[in-house]
Amino acid sequence: GAGVSQSPRYKVAKRGQDVALRCDPISGHVSLFWYQQALGQGPEFLTYFQNEAQLDKSGLPSDRFFAERPEGSVSTLKIQRTQQEDSAVYLCASSLAPGELFFGEGSRLTVL
Amino acid sequence: GESVGLHLPTLSVQEGDNSIINCAYSNSASDYFIWYKQESGKGPQFIIDIRSNMDKRQGQRVTVLLNKTVKHLSLQIAATQPGDSAVYFCAERGGGSYIPTFGRGTSLIVHP
Repeated sequence: GAGVSQSPRYKVAKRGQDVALRCDPISGHVSLFWYQQALGQGPEFLTYFQNEAQLDKSGLPSDRFFAERPEGSVSTLKIQRTQQEDSAVYLCASSLAPGELFFGEGSRLTVL
Repeated sequence: GESVGLHLPTLSVQEGDNSIINCAYSNSASDYFIWYKQESGKGPQFIIDIRSNMDKRQGQRVTVLLNKTVKHLSLQIAATQPGDSAVYFCAERGGGSYIPTFGRGTSLIVHP
């Protein structure tokens, strides 16, 4: 596709369930970012990959959050034992080089 | 700590007016600034950027002004249209980091 694709667009989980969110970046984009956006707030950085290397995961809020990008393309953000405070939109962005980020439409997670 | 923030959470304008959205930053190491537009249910979309060695940059109907002395950034939208209604975020990057940090956002409402 022409843009960053995220799936699922919407996910409802019961508290304690594990979820996996997928990001397909723009083909050839080296850098990939995950952000968390709470309602009415700006995106908050979670983690950053350059190819398959996770160079920064300082924004992950707890050890229940895990991200991977094993082949340097598709990335998955996994949240274990979801809590209500995990409810948010999870945004993925990719870029060719340091510069303009291209965002996907996000995955909206609601934890009941 | 270092942060990026906005002065006005909501801005209402009439169609055809010019809009000015402001942003303050506090990280003196920031050397690259970006404005994003986010429509409801979508990811942020790049509008315009500016590097710290410039104080003004123009795009199509948009102008970004940077005042490093007071650490202030503004986005000017000329002849605002209903399609400009969205939340606008400024983001900054600097200190050798590839990771943009977002402010809280300003909601722009354009009345026809």
